[in-house]
Amino acid sequence: GEDVEQSLFLSVREGDSSVINCTYTDSSSTYLYWYKQEPGAGLQLLTYIFSNMDMKQDQRLTVLLNKKDKHLSLRIADTQTGDSAIYFCADSDTGRRALTFGSGTRLQVQP
Amino acid sequence: KAGVTQTPRYLIKTRGQQVTLSCSPISGHRSVSWYQQTPGQGLQFLFEYFSETQRNKGNFPGRFSGRQFSNSRSEMNVSTLELGDSALYLCASSLDGQGAAGYTFGSGTRLTVV
Repeated sequence: GEDVEQSLFLSVREGDSSVINCTYTDSSSTYLYWYKQEPGAGLQLLTYIFSNMDMKQDQRLTVLLNKKDKHLSLRIADTQTGDSAIYFCADSDTGRRALTFGSGTRLQVQP
Repeated sequence: KAGVTQTPRYLIKTRGQQVTLSCSPISGHRSVSWYQQTPGQGLQFLFEYFSETQRNKGNFPGRFSGRQFSNSRSEMNVSTLELGDSALYLCASSLDGQGAAGYTFGSGTRLTVV
């Protein structure tokens, strides 16, 4: 079945850039998403990219997609302590109508 | 506009009981899907409803069921609760379930089975 994988933990210093990586297996993935989850909260949609795009930029966030290698990354510029959270990568396709999530990457931002 | 509303926020139930969770999607959204989040299994898809019809179902036992009403509000029910059903249950709202505009999640219902 479909699978999405992420590294479990990333620690950066405030002001540095953070790069969170994700790989997926489903060749028919249509959209790929990044969600943020803070303690005790639901999932906040950060950004998403259509599978025929290579890059999407949204303020401090840059998403890069390498469809050939099925690799997705999220770059957060000028990382702040408020960015500390768990970040989930997810994919979907129009047929499945469901998200397949990675296990989440815990981002820790050191002051 | 109002976001996705899930009620209740917290629930404590005893093994063997049943529970009903509610989700009100964003106004105009017709697709509601449900996910279970546990530390061991992560986020797993339960089912998706569109216009009162279940269109897709994840790999969960028949004790997990749901429905959607004509106003797009959805409920999920878990019968004969087991300790392993303790989890955060998240509801996601989207225009049509196709994902083009993303899925908006509610804050979740945290269910504890004792």
